[in-house]
Amino acid sequence: EAQVTQNPRYLITVTGKKLTVTCSQNMNHEYMSWYRQDPGLGLRQIYYSMNVEVTDKGDVPEGYKVSRKEKRNFPLILESPSPNQTSLYFCASSIRSGNMNTEAFFGQGTRLTVV
Amino acid sequence: GNSVTQMEGPVTLSEEAFLTINCTYTATGYPSLFWYVQYPGEGLQLLLKATKADDKGSNKGFEATYRKETTSFHLEKGSVQVSDSAVYFCALTLPSGGGADGLTFGKGTHLIIQP
Repeated sequence: EAQVTQNPRYLITVTGKKLTVTCSQNMNHEYMSWYRQDPGLGLRQIYYSMNVEVTDKGDVPEGYKVSRKEKRNFPLILESPSPNQTSLYFCASSIRSGNMNTEAFFGQGTRLTVV
Repeated sequence: GNSVTQMEGPVTLSEEAFLTINCTYTATGYPSLFWYVQYPGEGLQLLLKATKADDKGSNKGFEATYRKETTSFHLEKGSVQVSDSAVYFCALTLPSGGGADGLTFGKGTHLIIQP
């Protein structure tokens, strides 16, 4: 079954304690991305990756890091989480046609609370 | 920059009512347009898409037509069911040009269908 898998689904942590949210896709997609979803703001892109070892900032990258060492995995790293990073996070991978993303597949989400 | 505007709701309808969720966009270029649906506790799923003017996307009884002249992509369904209760996101993407390459989302419309 084609899917994007995120872990954990729920996480409560304390300010400043480094954490990693994992994301893995089994569709051999080149393009992967991270979004955060906040009430009244919709989804905003944090970082994206067009292929292995190629990553770039999205609209709200501050306080986050990513890596893309393998095609299937795209972890999101919070080196020093702060309460304003409390949010619902989604990983996505996309089919590309030419130079355009045609359809995104989303993970089930990670609800992060930073206290 | 690019943006998507949609009614936020909640939109509450009775079962079998006609549904319209408006979506308009601004984009520098010629975007592809999407509707995604998010059921409670789940990630986003692609509902339908259209890649060029006058294209009609359709799925599960939902339809939306790409109107370039009015920069709109309104979602419609003739007879809604309780199971259609969800949050609906309108989104666009553009051919990559070196900048952020992901989806630009509207803020989402929460739809509630009452029996």
